[in-house]
Amino acid sequence: DQQVKQNSPSLSVQEGRISILNCDYTNSMFDYFLWYKKYPAEGPTFLISISSIKDKNEDGRFTVFLNKSAKHLSLHIVPSQPGDSAVYFCAASARGYSTLTFGKGTMLLVSP
Amino acid sequence: EAQVTQNPRYLITVTGKKLTVTCSQNMNHEYMSWYRQDPGLGLRQIYYSMNVEVTDKGDVPEGYKVSRKEKRNFPLILESPSPNQTSLYFCASSLFGQMNTEAFFGQGTRLTVV
Repeated sequence: DQQVKQNSPSLSVQEGRISILNCDYTNSMFDYFLWYKKYPAEGPTFLISISSIKDKNEDGRFTVFLNKSAKHLSLHIVPSQPGDSAVYFCAASARGYSTLTFGKGTMLLVSP
Repeated sequence: EAQVTQNPRYLITVTGKKLTVTCSQNMNHEYMSWYRQDPGLGLRQIYYSMNVEVTDKGDVPEGYKVSRKEKRNFPLILESPSPNQTSLYFCASSLFGQMNTEAFFGQGTRLTVV
């Protein structure tokens, strides 16, 4: 049973517009959420995170929103740039557990 | 430069021939882990280590072994590789014991077992 779900395998957006990547989770023990970005032939790199005590975290063009009641988080990229084209992984961890659970990833393509 | 280094980057081997993928980090991180990435399945954790001589199974440990004799190294061992272990492997490390902080990933090792 998949505990972290990214239901959109891919997303296409025009440069300058907003990209919204979604992630749902089922495990109510998760209390920390992270987004990683992955380019081809490279390892994932950390992008932004959010603790369950917050509902929003912002870092430049990237904002993550957390809706605990819906067990849903989203990553907003504004404005989107062609260099943002990559696979984005949502990940979650639970206090007291030493594992990080990843979603399947969403491939974002930002066209000029 | 802070980094996680995996070797080799690419490997083709035959079924049953023991192999080791090395992983080394230069950040003095306590926590290290191995993941495999497969199409449609995302990243799945194989094993992790909270510190030297402390290792534990992740979600998909079957067919793999690990060791943590030194803080900086965390090799992944396939005693008898099989074709279903053909995958892209990533090693990761982070500062704290739990993965609620930024993890640094290696470049990946693409393994093909024929």
